[in-house]
Amino acid sequence: DTEVTQTPKHLVMGMTNKKSLKCEQHMGHRAMYWYKQKAKKPPELMFVYSYEKLSINESVPSRFSPECPNSSLLNLHLHALQPEDSALYLCASSQTGADTQYFGPGTRLTVL
Amino acid sequence: GESVGLHLPTLSVQEGDNSIINCAYSNSASDYFIWYKQESGKGPQFIIDIRSNMDKRQGQRVTVLLNKTVKHLSLQIAATQPGDSAVYFCAEKVLGGYNKLIFGAGTRLAVHP
Repeated sequence: DTEVTQTPKHLVMGMTNKKSLKCEQHMGHRAMYWYKQKAKKPPELMFVYSYEKLSINESVPSRFSPECPNSSLLNLHLHALQPEDSALYLCASSQTGADTQYFGPGTRLTVL
Repeated sequence: GESVGLHLPTLSVQEGDNSIINCAYSNSASDYFIWYKQESGKGPQFIIDIRSNMDKRQGQRVTVLLNKTVKHLSLQIAATQPGDSAVYFCAEKVLGGYNKLIFGAGTRLAVHP
């Protein structure tokens, strides 16, 4: 298994909703990442987990809350989002924090 | 500040021609560079990487060239095919930090029959 999977593929939510994005990999990678990508822009790093511990938070608003339940799973909990948070949310993983990152297909999020 | 940029935002080529996508970087301390391909509606896909102790690396139909003197990176695609149409991002790994990739702005490659 050499892929990163993400669910759901698409998500539409209101500004008062609470939802979660999920990411999974079975490559034995110990570093996992959340990125946000707006249309026609490169991915922007949000969070990095290493060995299930949060190691980088790129000054992301608290309405985004990451969680790493185990070495294969990464969640992003969403609450009280704004329309400008609409974007493609990408998960990535790497063997360790120093290795090549491999990306999932992303979740297309629309906030109404 | 640190930045990775691309010279051409859009590149149009004929099927069968060779494509060259360029990237400039400004941090001379960077030691690792990656090219990703992103098709519409998909996540970035790893294509090829190169470390700063190399000038050239070849893969299947792709070659990455690194010129540290002028801080320039290029991706060459041989015999470009319609399936190569995508946005290509170069990414730079910052020395000393965690595995934080700095992405370039991206170049759209359009392959015409």
